Amino acid sequence: DAGVIQSPRHEVTEMGQEVTLRCKPISGHDYLFWYRQTMMRGLELLIYFNNNVPIDDSGMPEDRFSAKMPNASFSTLKIQPSEPRDSAVYFCASSLRTGGTDTQYFGPGTRLTVL
Amino acid sequence: GNSVTQMEGPVTLSEEAFLTINCTYTATGYPSLFWYVQYPGEGLQLLLKATKADDKGSNKGFEATYRKETTSFHLEKGSVQVSDSAVYFCACWSNDYKLSFGAGTTVTVRA
Repeated sequence: DAGVIQSPRHEVTEMGQEVTLRCKPISGHDYLFWYRQTMMRGLELLIYFNNNVPIDDSGMPEDRFSAKMPNASFSTLKIQPSEPRDSAVYFCASSLRTGGTDTQYFGPGTRLTVL
Repeated sequence: GNSVTQMEGPVTLSEEAFLTINCTYTATGYPSLFWYVQYPGEGLQLLLKATKADDKGSNKGFEATYRKETTSFHLEKGSVQVSDSAVYFCACWSNDYKLSFGAGTTVTVRA
């Protein structure tokens, strides 16, 4: 398997623009997670899905952020409008299950820079 | 929910030195514990894990033992290499079915 795939790898945009990050989880994995990594706050869980359904979005910072999973092989994280403080590395991860012994497999991340 | 606290870095070592990164957990019960590693420019990947008390996880020369007496899961490697330079994250499962990560420890190994 190719692992978790994220696109784009790098995104530079201007404040106020809409940004869409994409993720393809590992085939057969029922859980998908979106994380944000910054120097100041470390690794934060934004939202996770089970069988394409959002289970916990308590980590989504504000209404400007939204995530969808229209099918088992694709998810998007959208920021509209973007702000400079959204600059971070965004990771997508997937796992067979959640809890217990389960391993999360991370994608390479999308480095977002909002000018 | 459950959480972990790991030693702050950065840590700088010479090749073949001994590495220890401390990690302690706060949890209800005995959740599975993990060490993830992030190499420059990459995503996190699982290094090792332990699923119950007294278990020892090991991989690539790294080891960590799940110690309930001290609520710890310290990562150790006896002889580091330049290729071990990375950020290391301790993690545990939280009661709300989330993986709780520590702040990460940056390790730099010099030749």
